[in-house]
Amino acid sequence: KQEVTQIPAALSVPEGENLVLNCSFTDSAIYNLQWFRQDPGKGLTSLLLIQSSQREQTSGRLNASLDKSSGRSTLYIAASQPGDSATYLCAAIKAAGNKLTFGGGTRVLVKP
Amino acid sequence: GAGVSQSPRYKVAKRGQDVALRCDPISGHVSLFWYQQALGQGPEFLTYFQNEAQLDKSGLPSDRFFAERPEGSVSTLKIQRTQQEDSAVYLCASSLPRRYSSNQPQHFGDGTRLSIL
Repeated sequence: KQEVTQIPAALSVPEGENLVLNCSFTDSAIYNLQWFRQDPGKGLTSLLLIQSSQREQTSGRLNASLDKSSGRSTLYIAASQPGDSATYLCAAIKAAGNKLTFGGGTRVLVKP
Repeated sequence: GAGVSQSPRYKVAKRGQDVALRCDPISGHVSLFWYQQALGQGPEFLTYFQNEAQLDKSGLPSDRFFAERPEGSVSTLKIQRTQQEDSAVYLCASSLPRRYSSNQPQHFGDGTRLSIL
């Protein structure tokens, strides 16, 4: 059974600092891995999706890497802003159209 | 609207009552998922539909939980004889436009926050 872990559970940084969020998964036979952002009281917004054949994906200040062999993905957010404050969740999917297995999330606070 | 729509946004019920939660997926999306998110935790899978067929219901916590998608679009999650431990946010997601074959992200609604008193 796939297990996804995110450490730390919470992170506080001053504005401008780069953020590094970690995600680990126990079963390397994944189809893809997705990073989400969740604001309080809201649903999940998809940030990046990395296919199993890819090593990384980039979108603006966001970069996500994937290392299947070690069971790890990392989300980098460059030059953090107070608006980046949210909970970030990673989720692994085993097959196309299949369910997502989520980590517990990392709650990020960027202080002005 | 273009996104996944869930209703109601908030639902308060007394223990023992039945509740029904609705999800309108993005038009044309074949796959529909329900997840349960407890406070401070990541979402956990409940059930999955492809069109009107319920292909996986392994995450439903008990036989009090029932989901349907009779016409392959709107879905309803029903919880019978609610218990306090059912209090959570219930998220719906849809994916896989018909004209694409695979590897499409899941798009989530804002969820229904269910509180059982």
